[in-house]
Amino acid sequence: GDSVTQMEGPVTLSEEAFLTINCTYTATGYPSLFWYVQYPGEGLQLLLKATKADDKGSNKGFEATYRKETTSFHLEKGSVQVSDSAVYFCAPNYNNDMRFGAGTRLTVKP
Amino acid sequence: KAGVTQTPRYLIKTRGQQVTLSCSPISGHRSVSWYQQTPGQGLQFLFEYFSETQRNKGNFPGRFSGRQFSNSRSEMNVSTLELGDSALYLCASSPDGGEKLFFGSGTQLSVL
Repeated sequence: GDSVTQMEGPVTLSEEAFLTINCTYTATGYPSLFWYVQYPGEGLQLLLKATKADDKGSNKGFEATYRKETTSFHLEKGSVQVSDSAVYFCAPNYNNDMRFGAGTRLTVKP
Repeated sequence: KAGVTQTPRYLIKTRGQQVTLSCSPISGHRSVSWYQQTPGQGLQFLFEYFSETQRNKGNFPGRFSGRQFSNSRSEMNVSTLELGDSALYLCASSPDGGEKLFFGSGTQLSVL
């Protein structure tokens, strides 16, 4: 069935380091792709999304590009901050059925 | 605009008991989805309700059930609790289902 594979964590970076969290999906169709973020003690929040091939979603300095040829939607940020410490979830949406990756915990140290 | 509200925030039950969790979606949202989050399994989809009808269902046993009321508020029920049901249960609402979900802070259920 349809699924999503996300880079395992935890990931620990120093402030201002470059971040990449890999995500690949399998699908027979063309899902919309999402990244959600969960800060400590909170529910998930939508971070960014892309709805078709080659679309780039961006928000708060984070970016991800819908790569149909590699079925990937890797999350990147050029310079992370301590406040970016959270768990990040990749989530393809298959016909209104949202599937979440296992989540990648990011810790950013000052 | 108030966000998604889940009650209670924490719950402790014993094996064999049943539990009901509540979710109030954002005003105007007609779709409510439920997820179970555990360290080992991550986020797993339970079910989605839209206009009082269950529209999608995940792979959970029949002990897990839900319903949605005419005001879009939703409840989730777990009967005959097992230790493995200990998890954070998250509710998410959206205007019409699917695309953009707004999550509550969750109900942390501990089964002893």
